[in-house]
Amino acid sequence: QTVVTQEPSLTVSPGGTVTLTCASSTGAVTSDYYPMWFQQKPGQAPRTLIYITNNKHSWTPARFSGSLLGGKAALTLSGVQPEDEADYYCLLFYGGAGVFGSGTRVTVL
Amino acid sequence: EVQLVESGGGLVKPGGSLRLSCGASGFTFSDAWIHWVRQAPGKGLEWVGRIKSEHDGGTTDYGAPVKARFTIWRDDSKNTVYLLLNSLRTEDTGVYYCGAPGVSPIWGQGTLVTVSS
Repeated sequence: QTVVTQEPSLTVSPGGTVTLTCASSTGAVTSDYYPMWFQQKPGQAPRTLIYITNNKHSWTPARFSGSLLGGKAALTLSGVQPEDEADYYCLLFYGGAGVFGSGTRVTVL
Repeated sequence: EVQLVESGGGLVKPGGSLRLSCGASGFTFSDAWIHWVRQAPGKGLEWVGRIKSEHDGGTTDYGAPVKARFTIWRDDSKNTVYLLLNSLRTEDTGVYYCGAPGVSPIWGQGTLVTVSS
């Protein structure tokens, strides 16, 4: 069974930078896994931040960026704002089928 | 304005079936790959499945826990995607969301499915 691993929680100061990672139990994550990143706040539906590794929608603030880093997919938040406090999920695709990571809770403190 | 609206959730007994709908507007629906994800109470997101656009073959893929029990299809004339849930189990309980992540950041507000005797 494929497992996608994310940091359970991270804390960042307002204005700071934090990088979330997304690892695959099958090995290095590449663009062939079409990584996506989602933000979800309590009681709300998820929102797509990044698709296909580093593509953004017009809604996605410029401070969010996606990349591949050290064999993992990564989401970097630069100049963090209080409203960025949320759960973040990555999604990887394996031959068409998707698997979510367990999510990272980002606390802005 | 992009909108996705799920409907069809409810209470169903184990072994039962349910059909969910995802209606969309505000984008070229026929070009979009539509995904379904779900979230059990207090848990993280789980990928359920996806249907490609007809232009890209209209094929479907499913997550391992639902493969062979759930079916997705689309009716582009109605801007709607459907998710048929068969042989439901208690662990299928949760909020089901639809979205088109390659087109819009927006997902629907979700529809609650409760599987309980």
